[in-house]
Amino acid sequence: DAGVIQSPRHEVTEMGQEVTLRCKPISGHDYLFWYRQTMMRGLELLIYFNNNVPIDDSGMPEDRFSAKMPNASFSTLKIQPSEPRDSAVYFCASSFGQPPETQYFGPGTRLLVL
Amino acid sequence: DQQVKQNSPSLSVQEGRISILNCDYTNSMFDYFLWYKKYPAEGPTFLISISSIKDKNEDGRFTVFLNKSAKHLSLHIVPSQPGDSAVYFCAANGSGGATNKLIFGTGTLLAVQP
Repeated sequence: DAGVIQSPRHEVTEMGQEVTLRCKPISGHDYLFWYRQTMMRGLELLIYFNNNVPIDDSGMPEDRFSAKMPNASFSTLKIQPSEPRDSAVYFCASSFGQPPETQYFGPGTRLLVL
Repeated sequence: DQQVKQNSPSLSVQEGRISILNCDYTNSMFDYFLWYKKYPAEGPTFLISISSIKDKNEDGRFTVFLNKSAKHLSLHIVPSQPGDSAVYFCAANGSGGATNKLIFGTGTLLAVQP
C-alpha cells in the first residue's frame, strides 16, 4: 500500500515567489495534518483537517500561509509570498481517527527560500 | 514557549548499551504521550506510546516511563543497535481543549556507535 505521498520532495525558490506543497493522504484516513520541522522549534503543527474540513489552524504562522483540502485524497499548503524564514521541511501526515491515533507521515518537502 | 521539551539535542551510545532519551512537559492536561522515530530523508514513524494512567509501557527493546508528578517521560532502548540511530521526537496529546492535537518536542539525535 502506498503511504502518504508528498510533492515536490525538494523546492528551491526566491523570496517573494509563491510555493505550493502537495499531499495525498492514505486512502481511508479521515484526518490530515501539515507540520513544519525546524531545528529551533522541532515539529510544529500548522493545521489539520477532519473529513476535508479545517479543524485547527492556530499553528499557521501568518496570512501568507494557506491550506486547502478539496477532497479526501488531496491537500495543498501554499505560501505566498515566500520568505527566507519559511525554509524548513514540511511534512504531511494522515490518520484514521483523531489524535492520539497513530499518524503516518509522508517523506516531507524540503523548502529553501533564497 | 515549548510545552514539550527535549533538552538533549544529541546522544551517543555504544552498541549493546542502554540509550535513555528524556522529555519534559509543562501542561498537566496532557494525557497521552508518544515517541516517534525519524531517519534522514524520511517522515517520522510511530514507535511507542503511554497513557497517563500508566507509568510504564514496554515493547520489545523499547520501554517508556512516565513520571506525572515530575512531568517527565523517558524512552529506554536496551540493547541499543546501530539501526536505532535516528532522531527521536517526544509528543504529547491533550484532550481537554477545544481540539485534540499532538505537541512535539524538538527531537534528540541518537547515534549508536558499533
